[in-house]
Amino acid sequence: GAVVSQHPSWVICKSGTSVKIECRSLDFQATTMFWYRQFPKQSLMLMATSNEGSKATYEQGVEKDKFLINHASLTLSTLTVTSAHPEDSSFYICSARGPLNSPLHFGNGTRLTVT
Amino acid sequence: RKEVEQDPGPFNVPEGATVAFNCTYSNSASQSFFWYRQDCRKEPKLLMSVYSSGNEDGRFTAQLNRASQYISLLIRDSKLSDSATYLCAVTGIGSGNTGKLIFGQGTTLQVKP
Repeated sequence: GAVVSQHPSWVICKSGTSVKIECRSLDFQATTMFWYRQFPKQSLMLMATSNEGSKATYEQGVEKDKFLINHASLTLSTLTVTSAHPEDSSFYICSARGPLNSPLHFGNGTRLTVT
Repeated sequence: RKEVEQDPGPFNVPEGATVAFNCTYSNSASQSFFWYRQDCRKEPKLLMSVYSSGNEDGRFTAQLNRASQYISLLIRDSKLSDSATYLCAVTGIGSGNTGKLIFGQGTTLQVKP
């Protein structure tokens, strides 16, 4: 089946640094990618929706200048957490699909720890 | 009010038991409905889609009640391996439908020997 690869699987960084997370669709063209964040014992919260070649649409309360999303090709989207702080420590998961109503495929997630 | 709500549990049941989870959604315009399973520290995996007519996949049965805006998941003959968090999810909320998936908080199931 379709595979979405997310990298890195885990990362530890110091407060104030930036971290880039990559999400790749390996065997299909990802028209749309979604980025989620999940804190312990909480649900997956949608952060933003990105369509290839256009600006991402951010959910209410998500700072677009802090969480930079780039979706420059049909197989790659990146999320950059800028000037990370300990409260940004979380599990970040991407998902991707082709045309509307096609199945959604999830990456394996990135566990970010900011010290 | 949250868009998608679930009882977080945990539900602790013995092996072989039947357990049911419910999930309510607030937007009547929601179009598609799903149950996902999430194991600890892993990404969610699609368990099954939920259709108005109800659907069954082995020991799992999903139901949708549009009038009352809830979906349910029934697990029969619980196995130890069913222990996980079960997330309901809906799409089609809001204008300019992008197919974004909104998740409930998840219900934790612990199946005991």
